[in-house]
Amino acid sequence: AQSVTQLDSQVPVFEEAPVELRCNYSSSVSVYLFWYVQYPNQGLQLLLKYLSGSTLVKGINGFEAEFNKSQTSFHLRKPSVHISDTAEYFCAVSLQGGSEKLVFGKGTKLTVNP
Amino acid sequence: GAVVSQHPSWVICKSGTSVKIECRSLDFQATTMFWYRQFPKQSLMLMATSNEGSKATYEQGVEKDKFLINHASLTLSTLTVTSAHPEDSSFYICSDTPPGQGSYEQYFGPGTRLTVT
Repeated sequence: AQSVTQLDSQVPVFEEAPVELRCNYSSSVSVYLFWYVQYPNQGLQLLLKYLSGSTLVKGINGFEAEFNKSQTSFHLRKPSVHISDTAEYFCAVSLQGGSEKLVFGKGTKLTVNP
Repeated sequence: GAVVSQHPSWVICKSGTSVKIECRSLDFQATTMFWYRQFPKQSLMLMATSNEGSKATYEQGVEKDKFLINHASLTLSTLTVTSAHPEDSSFYICSDTPPGQGSYEQYFGPGTRLTVT
């Protein structure tokens, strides 16, 4: 079975600082990888996804993530954050060739302070 | 991205009553939809996969008789929480996925906050 570990439950940063949210996964088969963002009392919005090809994936709102197969990681980065980036971020995986079922990490609360 | 709506956005019910939550896929016909449950400050846990025209597939530990799922049309799935108890209070989120292979992307509804008193 797959599992997803988000190493930091909370990440406080100052506005315009860079940020990295860490995600590691465990799976015996190849997976697809996703990052979602959740604003308070809302559903999830897809930030970016890795299905195949280039290991550096660019998403919306200036976010990017890099797939590292040897380290089974898919860390999310942004070079300069805004107050509006304050939200909960979830890393998720699904099996290649399987159903579209997603397994989520526990989330990282990003708080951007002025 | 595609639009998924949920109704109601929040509901308060008394213990022992049943509550129905609707999830609509507005941009495409979804043969598969998913229902998740999210406790405060926690991640989403998949409850079941809703399949149009057939029985839902429940995840281990989810009571199928308590959480009734109906996917009677390609754009509507419903989750009914039967005989609700305070411990059923949670944020319920549905999602859909475009038909066919290749996307592996889910579009999420805005969620329904259920409070059982």
